[in-house]
Amino acid sequence: DVKVTQSSRYLVKRTGEKVFLECVQDMDHENMFWYRQDPGLGLRLIYFSYDVKMKEKGDIPEGYSVSREKKERFSLILESASTNQTSMYLCASSLNSFPASGNTIYFGEGSWLTVV
Amino acid sequence: AQSVAQPEDQVNVAEGNPLTVKCTYSVSGNPYLFWYVQYPNRGLQFLLKYITGDNLVKGSYGFEAEFNKSQTSFHLKKPSALVSDSALYFCAVRLQTGANNLFFGTGTRLTVIP
Repeated sequence: DVKVTQSSRYLVKRTGEKVFLECVQDMDHENMFWYRQDPGLGLRLIYFSYDVKMKEKGDIPEGYSVSREKKERFSLILESASTNQTSMYLCASSLNSFPASGNTIYFGEGSWLTVV
Repeated sequence: AQSVAQPEDQVNVAEGNPLTVKCTYSVSGNPYLFWYVQYPNRGLQFLLKYITGDNLVKGSYGFEAEFNKSQTSFHLKKPSALVSDSALYFCAVRLQTGANNLFFGTGTRLTVIP
């Protein structure tokens, strides 16, 4: 079974703090994603990475950055947390074999971040 | 631009009755379509997907979905609902070419009443 592990399930951080959300997958997937989930808005893509050190902005990258130094690990960084970044964050991964977009995206359990 | 609509925020069904969760999509090409389920305080679990071939797709936990190209729909169905099916369901679409990303609907909360 595919395993996508998010290291922190629940975090409470103060406004202005730097926050790291870590994600590891064990299936040698090329693609990794960070989504944000908010009620009534569904899931929105923050960033995705299709290879080590490669990244592309998603729909809502402002206020976030990412790091992918190893294939299995994809980190989301909030440089200076703000209260409007209080949300559920979901990491995901998928293969990039052809047809790439037909591959299933597998999700982690999510990280609930509260910024106070 | 692609988009996914789930017209019902909430669906209630009695246990044992058939259930349908609706999804329509809009894309400028041929889509790949997915259904995911989310239980409280959990991540998303993959249920099923349509890539090509038979328009009726069978997935996990007895769910199935029918791809209807003329109506641009991909409704999720189950013949007999269980209380344990109560959850949040997301439809998603991906283009066959281009951006390697899923576009999600806003979700439908299914409640199965005992």
